[in-house]
Amino acid sequence: EVQLLESGGALVQPGGSLRLSCAASGFTFSTYALTWVRQAPGKGPEWVSILSSGGDTTYSADSVKGRFTISRDNSKNTLYLQMNSLRVADTAVYYCAKYLFGDRVHHGFDIWGQGTMVTVSS
Amino acid sequence: DIQMTQSPSSVSASVGDRVTITCRASQDISRWLAWYQQKPGKAPNLLIYDASSLRSGVPSRFSGSGSGTDFTLTISSLQPEDFASYYCQQTTSFPLTFGPGTKVEIK
Repeated sequence: EVQLLESGGALVQPGGSLRLSCAASGFTFSTYALTWVRQAPGKGPEWVSILSSGGDTTYSADSVKGRFTISRDNSKNTLYLQMNSLRVADTAVYYCAKYLFGDRVHHGFDIWGQGTMVTVSS
Repeated sequence: DIQMTQSPSSVSASVGDRVTITCRASQDISRWLAWYQQKPGKAPNLLIYDASSLRSGVPSRFSGSGSGTDFTLTISSLQPEDFASYYCQQTTSFPLTFGPGTKVEIK
C-alpha cells in the first residue's frame, strides 16, 4: 500500500523551531517529487514547499522562505521540513504529499499523509 | 501569484442532484488544474487532474472541464459520500495556489 506518515508536530512557542518528518512506503520514493501543504483550522489548503526527486530543485511559498527548509533522505524514504522562527500564523495541520507523476509538476498530488498538527502559541 | 476563486462557497443539494462548482484563475493556466475532495479531519483527495482527467479509482460521476481561466467540476448524481468540501488548485506555476473551497451540504 502506498503510504505517507507524518510526525513531529507539537506545541511550540513563537520564535521556536520544529522538524517534521514524512515516512514513505509502497512506492519508489527516489523517483517522485514531494511537497508539504498546510491547512490552518477552518481554512483551505496552502501549499508550502516542494522538493524534486533528486533533492536538487526546491520551491517555497513566500510566507515561509528563509524560515522553512525542505529536505529528503532517499536512503531512508523520508521527507523533512525544518521550521525555524515559527509564528502564530504557522499554526496548521501539515501534510506531506507526492506528485502524481514523478517530477512532473503540473498534475497534482495523489497521495497524502494523515497530517501532523503544529501549534504556535505562547 | 495566480489567484483562484470558486463559486459558490457552499451549496445545499439532495442525493441524486447534479452539482456544478466553478473555479476561476486570475490568469491563463492552460489546462493545469486539479480538483480535490476533502472530508472533515481527512487529507484532501485528488479527483481530477489536467482539468478533465479522472484519477484512477474515482467514480465516473465526477467530471471536470475548462481551460484558460474558467473551469468546472460536475458531480452528475450526488451520492451520500460526496458531501464534503471541494478545492481547485492551479498547477501551472509556483507558488501553487488553491481556491477557497466549496462546501457541498445536505439539503
